[in-house]
Amino acid sequence: AQSVTQLGSHVSVSEGALVLLRCNYSSSVPPYLFWYVQYPNQGLQLLLKYTSAATLVKGINGFEAEFKKSETSFHLTKPSAHMSDAAEYFCAVSDLEYGNKLVFGAGTILRVKS
Amino acid sequence: NAGVTQTPKFRVLKTGQSMTLLCAQDMNHEYMYWYRQDPGMGLRLIHYSVGEGTTAKGEVPDGYNVSRLKKQNFLLGLESAAPSQTSVYFCASTRSSGNYGYTFGSGTRLTVV
Repeated sequence: AQSVTQLGSHVSVSEGALVLLRCNYSSSVPPYLFWYVQYPNQGLQLLLKYTSAATLVKGINGFEAEFKKSETSFHLTKPSAHMSDAAEYFCAVSDLEYGNKLVFGAGTILRVKS
Repeated sequence: NAGVTQTPKFRVLKTGQSMTLLCAQDMNHEYMYWYRQDPGMGLRLIHYSVGEGTTAKGEVPDGYNVSRLKKQNFLLGLESAAPSQTSVYFCASTRSSGNYGYTFGSGTRLTVV
């Protein structure tokens, strides 16, 4: 079964600093990987997705993620944090078997300090 | 575009009561899902459907039932609510190929007292 581990339930950065949110996955087949963001009291919004076309994936709001097969990782980065980036971020892997189910990590809450 | 609409947005139930959560999507998506979100646990799949008239169990199906009588609607039922079902419930949908990611509803916050 596929699984996702997000290292760090809470991450705090200063405004303008680098954002790094870690995600490691377990999958027996080449995966589809996703990052979602959730703002308070809202649903989840797709940030970016990896579907084997390119290992470096660019998403919305200046975020990007790099797929590293050798490390089974898909870490999310942003060069310069903005106050509006404060939210919870979820990494997910797609179950390519029946139903294309997404398996989510536990989430990382990003705090941006002024 | 409405996307995925969930009703109600909030509900308080007493233990033992029943209720139905409605999810409606207007994107002609084949696949639909019900997840629950609990602090520190991410989202866990309750049930899902790959088409009208079909449903399947996810990771945490006990205490829930679902129906997909129409392609655009996916209903989640709680027959006898328990405090352990206090959670935020999200519905999502996607095209059948699966690599497009999901479109999520805004959630239903359910409290069982």
